Amino acid sequence: GQNIDQPTEMTATEGAIVQINCTYQTSGFNGLFWYQQHAGEAPTFLSYNVLDGLEEKGRFSSFLSRSKGYSYLLLKELQMKDSASYLCAVRDPRHDYKLSFGAGTTVTVRA
Amino acid sequence: DAGVIQSPRHEVTEMGQEVTLRCKPISGHDYLFWYRQTMMRGLELLIYFNNNVPIDDSGMPEDRFSAKMPNASFSTLKIQPSEPRDSAVYFCASSPVQQRTFGGAKNIQYFGAGTRLSVL
Repeated sequence: GQNIDQPTEMTATEGAIVQINCTYQTSGFNGLFWYQQHAGEAPTFLSYNVLDGLEEKGRFSSFLSRSKGYSYLLLKELQMKDSASYLCAVRDPRHDYKLSFGAGTTVTVRA
Repeated sequence: DAGVIQSPRHEVTEMGQEVTLRCKPISGHDYLFWYRQTMMRGLELLIYFNNNVPIDDSGMPEDRFSAKMPNASFSTLKIQPSEPRDSAVYFCASSPVQQRTFGGAKNIQYFGAGTRLSVL
């Protein structure tokens, strides 16, 4: 099975940087996703990592270290609209379409 | 495209009643997923289909839950009889066939707005 850990909550100030960590313990590795979910809304795709290193997409970046079972999502130049839950998900090594989600990290951006 | 469409958005029912949740995936997507989200357990995969065929239903909690996909544009998740512990937000998602990239297949899942179910 998959064991995925993320912090429950984080708070940061508008304009700052926040790093959300995700550690996973899986039997094999087949890709890691980050999704954003605003309160009362559906999760939406943010980023995907399958190779070690940093993937940058505008203000958001995601990093992966397969040897350490570790990923982080970096949010830069925080805006109020970034207040949301951020879900780390790992893909089942035997089923390309099956994802296991972490409990999510609720980020609150304060003025 | 309108995205994944779920109905109803909200459902309130009494214990013992049958509940049917509906989903229309994005046109052309071959994969359809049903998830349940609660504060206690987070987002859990219940079942997923490929080309209308159930592939993995290991996440379906009990025999009270059943899902069907009679055609490529429609799926239902049924709970009969419903119980208060079934109260949750149920999401449907769809995904196209593997999108190959340098780093491997992405297989992004696109979620509907969800159905908030309350069983009294």
